[in-house]
Amino acid sequence: DAGVTQSPTHLIKTRGQQVTLRCSPKSGHDTVSWYQQALGQGPQFIFQYYEEEERQRGNFPDRFSGHQFPNYSSELNVNALLLGDSALYLCASSLPRGEQYFGPGTRLTVT
Amino acid sequence: AQSVTQPDIHITVSEGASLELRCNYSYGATPYLFWYVQSPGQGLQLLLKYFSGDTLVQGIKGFEAEFKRSQSSFNLRKPSVHWSDAAEYFCAVGVMEYGNKLVFGAGTILRVKS
Repeated sequence: DAGVTQSPTHLIKTRGQQVTLRCSPKSGHDTVSWYQQALGQGPQFIFQYYEEEERQRGNFPDRFSGHQFPNYSSELNVNALLLGDSALYLCASSLPRGEQYFGPGTRLTVT
Repeated sequence: AQSVTQPDIHITVSEGASLELRCNYSYGATPYLFWYVQSPGQGLQLLLKYFSGDTLVQGIKGFEAEFKRSQSSFNLRKPSVHWSDAAEYFCAVGVMEYGNKLVFGAGTILRVKS
């Protein structure tokens, strides 16, 4: 049984560019959450998707957007990248009120 | 607002010694509590969770945690640490208002000396 998978593993972008990160949930899970983990910090909640709709959102600007597909996979899009967006982006999947299982993350570096 | 405090940024223990990592939370309702472990450059692995019932919960890799409502704490323990336990540990509270987002502490880095 495959766990949560994320792609790409690493990404380098330039300020002002746009990026798309992808996540496939664990089999049987229908809820996907995204977190940003800056260096030396705990993960910060970005948003959560369920039934292809954004269900909850953390304190992140509108430059951060997402999408969930009918097969429950999800994308995180970040526009107008800033240096401060450099972080490890973690995707987690779960049932609607169950424990969350995390993927390995995507390391984004903005130069 | 919900918050989690992990008072110790770094902890160093000798291999074979016991371990306790502290976690305090602030949440108005009955908390759902979690401990995750993260190896360098990796994602988070769930060690254990508390939803309700017995306040002493057992997890993987020989870890356990005790929920103490009066102290708003959920400390992680292990009786005998192995070198492979060296990692960063995160405590989190689940906010189950609409969805199940996690609020994390800043983490505790565990070093194990031989």
